[in-house]
Amino acid sequence: DAKTTQPNSMESNEEEPVHLPCNHSTISGTDYIHWYRQLPSQGPEYVIHGLTSNVNNRMASLAIAEDRKSSTLILHRATLRDAAVYYCILRTSYSGAGSYQLTFGKGTKLSVIP
Amino acid sequence: GAGVSQTPSNKVTEKGKYVELRCDPISGHTALYWYRQSLGQGPEFLIYFQGTGAADDSGLPNDRFFAVRPEGSVSTLKIQRTERGDSAVYLCASSPTSGGTLNEQFFGPGTRLTVL
Repeated sequence: DAKTTQPNSMESNEEEPVHLPCNHSTISGTDYIHWYRQLPSQGPEYVIHGLTSNVNNRMASLAIAEDRKSSTLILHRATLRDAAVYYCILRTSYSGAGSYQLTFGKGTKLSVIP
Repeated sequence: GAGVSQTPSNKVTEKGKYVELRCDPISGHTALYWYRQSLGQGPEFLIYFQGTGAADDSGLPNDRFFAVRPEGSVSTLKIQRTERGDSAVYLCASSPTSGGTLNEQFFGPGTRLTVL
């Protein structure tokens, strides 16, 4: 899987929007952009994924640059429960790619200030 | 419904001992993954099962590590002759179907292994 680059840490005030950036300049045409998050002492959980168009779900929004070399995960109103490590992961849709495991980087540790 | 469960939640062992870590995936999920997470790092892939067979074990660090899934549901990760460097959180994840590269993976809470 292609490499992603994220800031090590970010802070947000509670009830403010949070924009978590991810750079993936070597992304290929078959790569989907996935986001997972890991709350303290828990396993990772899926947040959202997209290919080209911006995506919204109940947890977050994903904004994808037109050239697909970067993306931004948007939490519209951060709560204390959103404090976690957020991972941006590229996954190829190529069916011959193998076992489909997730390749995690170090992610961005988000702190939410009350 | 029930999520992925892992037992034990914590395991402390001595260097050189044998350990088994268990994963109960979500019922009906055919794909099962094991990952290992060291402190301050993201999870690293170990092995992937599709049904009963290990379809990809390229992440296993050496031959002391082995995993089975005999009936296509519960999986056991086995570590022989444990070393202090094996200390980590071992995570299990399952996914609904086999062919979907984009299928969401559901993770368990992990087993924290400490080798003294």
